[in-house]
Amino acid sequence: AQRVTQPEKLLSVFKGAPVELKCNYSYSGSPELFWYVQYSRQRLQLLLRHISRESIKGFTADLNKGETSFHLKKPFAQEEDSAMYYCALMKSNYQLIWGAGTKLIIKP
Amino acid sequence: SQTIHQWPATLVQPVGSPLSLECTVEGTSNPNLYWYRQAAGRGLQLLFYSVGIGQISSEVPQNLSASRPQDRQFILSSKKLLLSDSGFYLCAWSVTGGRTEAFFGQGTRLTVV
Repeated sequence: AQRVTQPEKLLSVFKGAPVELKCNYSYSGSPELFWYVQYSRQRLQLLLRHISRESIKGFTADLNKGETSFHLKKPFAQEEDSAMYYCALMKSNYQLIWGAGTKLIIKP
Repeated sequence: SQTIHQWPATLVQPVGSPLSLECTVEGTSNPNLYWYRQAAGRGLQLLFYSVGIGQISSEVPQNLSASRPQDRQFILSSKKLLLSDSGFYLCAWSVTGGRTEAFFGQGTRLTVV
């Protein structure tokens, strides 16, 4: 079955602490994975994609095909990182499969 | 630059009334268009997608329908709303033929009373 799993509905960390948002996937083909973010009162928007192998706003995510994971990490959390984060997998027909989302709260 | 407009932002409708949510994209041609429903704790559920005018694929059977009368216009409709249709609806577009990102509208909060 094709599936994206984000096991944590809510993650709360202190400012300056490391953050890791978990994402696991199940897909028989070659996956293309994304992290989307939705800040309060803003549109859902792309944060980063695995194919770009870039760091955006201090976040990175590495595709681990062995563990079928695409965890989102940031070494030092900032208050403005508080948002809803969604992991998504793009199928070969360009449709996206979405995780349920993780609400990240950064405490001062 | 490309932009996506979705309206209205909020809508309160009585049970049994019709629905029409509109989404338009500017600055691109022949986009893939999508209607999603976003439910708390359940992520985004794809309702409909379209790869061209008049071409609509439905992902889940339900009380809703979609139409694409023009290249950059995507409409979500219902003839008779149910209470269970309440939710947050998102329109999105992506470039045809590429495994690229999706761009989202601001969403419509629909409350059926």
